[in-house]
Amino acid sequence: EPEVTQTPSHQVTQMGQEVILRCVPISNHLYFYWYRQILGQKVEFLVSFYNNEISEKSEIFDDQFSVERPDGSNFTLKIRSTKLEDSAMYFCARVAPTGVGANYGYTFGSGTRLTVV
Amino acid sequence: AQSVTQPDIHITVSEGASLELRCNYSYGATPYLFWYVQSPGQGLQLLLKYFSGDTLVQGIKGFEAEFKRSQSSFNLRKPSVHWSDAAEYFCAVGGSLAEYGNKLVFGAGTILRVKS
Repeated sequence: EPEVTQTPSHQVTQMGQEVILRCVPISNHLYFYWYRQILGQKVEFLVSFYNNEISEKSEIFDDQFSVERPDGSNFTLKIRSTKLEDSAMYFCARVAPTGVGANYGYTFGSGTRLTVV
Repeated sequence: AQSVTQPDIHITVSEGASLELRCNYSYGATPYLFWYVQSPGQGLQLLLKYFSGDTLVQGIKGFEAEFKRSQSSFNLRKPSVHWSDAAEYFCAVGGSLAEYGNKLVFGAGTILRVKS
């Protein structure tokens, strides 16, 4: 059973439309992340989220992006007005710091492939 | 700045042969190091990780990696490759939660092809 579930697995959207990508981690996780991978490129950090607020964001994470955890469970990434260059695989990740060192867990979801047309 | 270099974009090995994928990192503190594997169109699966202690770490699917601080390297190895190992492999570096919020910086990946 996956620890981090992402929905949808694939989404196609028109340029300029808003999309919401969802991540459902186990409820006791504290640290959440979004990463993206443009086809054929490396995985890039977008944003980290701790204690219901953004703790760090990258240059990629501009005003078009937002994250929230509205119901204490789902962790969402919203892109307000999608552009063609937003087409990528988006990964949610969580860290459950149940201890130090060996218990440090960094798990990725299976990803959402976003295609902007 | 934190960075990860995977010098080999593609590697082709014969089934049953040994494998070594290279990873060099640049990091300003004690690194947490990871290797992930990704099949086409799929997510990232953690193979192994290193935080401290024994510099030779064992992972899943028969993989191991060795941390060499003097060389800033964390190379991934497997003694005998199987056709199912064909995939893309990513090395990543992060830090402690307290220091860096533990975002990961990834290398560009190495695509492994296995020939029969």
